[in-house]
Amino acid sequence: DGGITQSPKYLFRKEGQNVTLSCEQNLNHDAMYWYRQDPGQGLRLIYYSQIVNDFQKGDIAEGYSVSREKKESFPLTVTSAQKNPTAFYLCASSIGPDNSPLHFGNGTRLTVT
Amino acid sequence: LAKTTQPISMDSYEGQEVNITCSHNNIATNDYITWYQQFPSQGPRFIIQGYKTKVTNEVASLFIPADRKSSTLSLPRVSLSDTAVYYCLVGALGAGTALIFGKGTTLSVSS
Repeated sequence: DGGITQSPKYLFRKEGQNVTLSCEQNLNHDAMYWYRQDPGQGLRLIYYSQIVNDFQKGDIAEGYSVSREKKESFPLTVTSAQKNPTAFYLCASSIGPDNSPLHFGNGTRLTVT
Repeated sequence: LAKTTQPISMDSYEGQEVNITCSHNNIATNDYITWYQQFPSQGPRFIIQGYKTKVTNEVASLFIPADRKSSTLSLPRVSLSDTAVYYCLVGALGAGTALIFGKGTTLSVSS
């Protein structure tokens, strides 16, 4: 089955540590995205990539970094500079950037203490 | 960038039709309207997408008036499993825009 895989489902880290969240897709989609969701809130865009080796900042990119070295992979690093990293992180992909529906993974819940 | 406004919550009973309306007054000519459903601790799932008039698939219908300043998601004969958050999205990435999800509409279906 084609889809998006996020791992791990739950992640715990100590404050001050960087952590990388994995996102892999086998849908052959060009565009990939990272969103953050806080309790009772909508999704906020962190970074997006429309093509390999290219990515753009979303609304809340500070304290995060990404890479897009392969079409199928778009890892997100939450750095120690992110002030409130505890959240539910969602990765998505779409065929292209224009009006294509998003396909989401099932998320990674990150807890930083 | 088209901002959307939806009701925060709605309640319904099993077997009823539910209509959720989304306002998007500054929708652009090239923008499509897309609806997603999200269950707790899961990623949103695509429901339906449209540009104008009416679109229907196996799970929902989407009604878009001629001025496209609003849209209505219609869920026929809801069941308990339709309890979820529903998001209306307008636009797409490209040309410097970004996909912004609002807080969505929390639909609660009771028996």
